[in-house]
Amino acid sequence: RKEVEQDPGPFNVPEGATVAFNCTYSNSASQSFFWYRQDCRKEPKLLMSVYSSGNEDGRFTAQLNRASQYISLLIRDSKLSDSATYLCVVISSGYSTLTFGKGTMLLVSP
Amino acid sequence: DADVTQTPRNRITKTGKRIMLECSQTKGHDRMYWYRQDPGLGLRLIYYSFDVKDINKGEISDGYSVSRQAQAKFSLSLESAIPNQTALYFCATSDVTGPYTGELFFGEGSRLTVL
Repeated sequence: RKEVEQDPGPFNVPEGATVAFNCTYSNSASQSFFWYRQDCRKEPKLLMSVYSSGNEDGRFTAQLNRASQYISLLIRDSKLSDSATYLCVVISSGYSTLTFGKGTMLLVSP
Repeated sequence: DADVTQTPRNRITKTGKRIMLECSQTKGHDRMYWYRQDPGLGLRLIYYSFDVKDINKGEISDGYSVSRQAQAKFSLSLESAIPNQTALYFCATSDVTGPYTGELFFGEGSRLTVL
C-alpha cells in the first residue's frame, strides 16, 4: 500500500458546487497532515493544515479521521479559480520530511 | 524577485551528459530539499539538507548527488543523465518549524528533458 493515496480525478464540477476529496495514509504513526494546492505548471503551495478537530478556512474545510486513516478536503461554492491539483501531505513520526500524495485534479467549469 | 530561485528553468540535454540544477534562497531557511515530479507519480524527495553540514538521501537518490555550498545554496547534479530522469524538479526550503507547520516554500521548478 502506498504511503499516501489520492484519487487522481479529475473531478469536474460546475461553479457553485460542493466537492470533497479524500486522502488515505498507511502509517498509523503519522503526526501531521496538510493540503497543498498546485496550479498547472506551477509550484505547490500550502493551502491549509489539517487539525484533529477539523478546521475551516473560508470555503475550505479539512478533516482528519485517525481511526480510518484518512483526511478530507471539502470545498464549498466552487470558483473557477479553484481549478488546480490538490496534494495531500503527511508527516510521519520523526518530523523529518513531508510525503506528498500524487494529487487530485479539480476542474471547475462555468 | 522570487524567494526561492532555480536555474535553469528549462534544459534539454542528451543521455550521458552531466547536469547541474541550482537553487538559491533568500528566506534565511536552514532546510532545503530537492523533489522531482512526474505525471502520475507525484512529488518524490531526492535529497534534503537540514544545514550546511547535513545531507540526507531521500526516497529516490540513486543517480543524483547534491552539494550544499552555503546556507542559501543547494545544487542537484546528475552525473550521467538518462532519459528516465526527464522530469520537473523542484527545490524547496523550510525553517526548523517546517516539519511541524508543513510549510515548504518551493521554487518555480526546473524542467529537464534528457534525450
